[in-house]
Amino acid sequence: DAKTTQPPSMDCAEGRAANLPCNHSTISGNEYVYWYRQIHSQGPQYIIHGLKNNETNEMASLIITEDRKSSTLILPHATLRDTAVYYCIVWAAGNKLTFGGGTRVLVKP
Amino acid sequence: EAQVTQNPRYLITVTGKKLTVTCSQNMNHEYMSWYRQDPGLGLRQIYYSMNVEVTDKGDVPEGYKVSRKEKRNFPLILESPSPNQTSLYFCASSRASGRPSGDGYTFGSGTRLTVV
Repeated sequence: DAKTTQPPSMDCAEGRAANLPCNHSTISGNEYVYWYRQIHSQGPQYIIHGLKNNETNEMASLIITEDRKSSTLILPHATLRDTAVYYCIVWAAGNKLTFGGGTRVLVKP
Repeated sequence: EAQVTQNPRYLITVTGKKLTVTCSQNMNHEYMSWYRQDPGLGLRQIYYSMNVEVTDKGDVPEGYKVSRKEKRNFPLILESPSPNQTSLYFCASSRASGRPSGDGYTFGSGTRLTVV
C-alpha cells in the first residue's frame, strides 16, 4: 500500500508557484521522499528527492518538515507543460516503488 | 543517453497468442521492474528483478512471466494473453544496493497493449 497521502487534484495559474503537499507520517528513517510526475501517458519522470534537508534543482524545490512526516513540492513558475499527475513516494533502495493516486495538477493560462 | 527502452510502443493482439514486450536499460542498473497502469487503479507492479537470474512477483503477477538472463534486459512475456491484460505497461530500472541513486527509478516510454 502507498505510504503517502496527496490531494487528488489542484489547479494552478500559469506563471505562479504551485505548492503540492504530501503526508507521509509513517516514513522510516532510511526512506527518502521522492517526487515523480507523469505527463499524459508517458513514463513517470523523476523530479527531485530528499531525506531530511530541503532540496532544490532546476525543476523544483522540496521542503521536508523537521519531523519528516510531510513535505511540499514547489514548482516555482508553473507552465502549461507542467500539467501532469504528480506522485509523492517514500522509498529506500531495494524496496518496491509503490505509487499512490498522485495529485492531478492542471496549469491554467 | 541513459535510458530504458521498451518495444513495441503499441501492440494489438488476439486472445491466446503469445507475445513478448522487451525492455533494455543502458545504465548498468541491478534492479528492474514491470508495472501496468489502468484507469482508476494507478501503477501496479507485476514482477521485479534484483539482479541477473533473480526475479520475484509483484502485486499482480498472474498471467505474466519474466526472465533476467542479462543485466540489461528484462522481457515481459504473456504466454496466453487475455482481454483483461489490455493495459499500459512500463518498465523501470534503478540501482539496488545501498542508498538510493540520485534519480531513483528510470522509466521507459510505455507499451500500450490491446488484447481482443
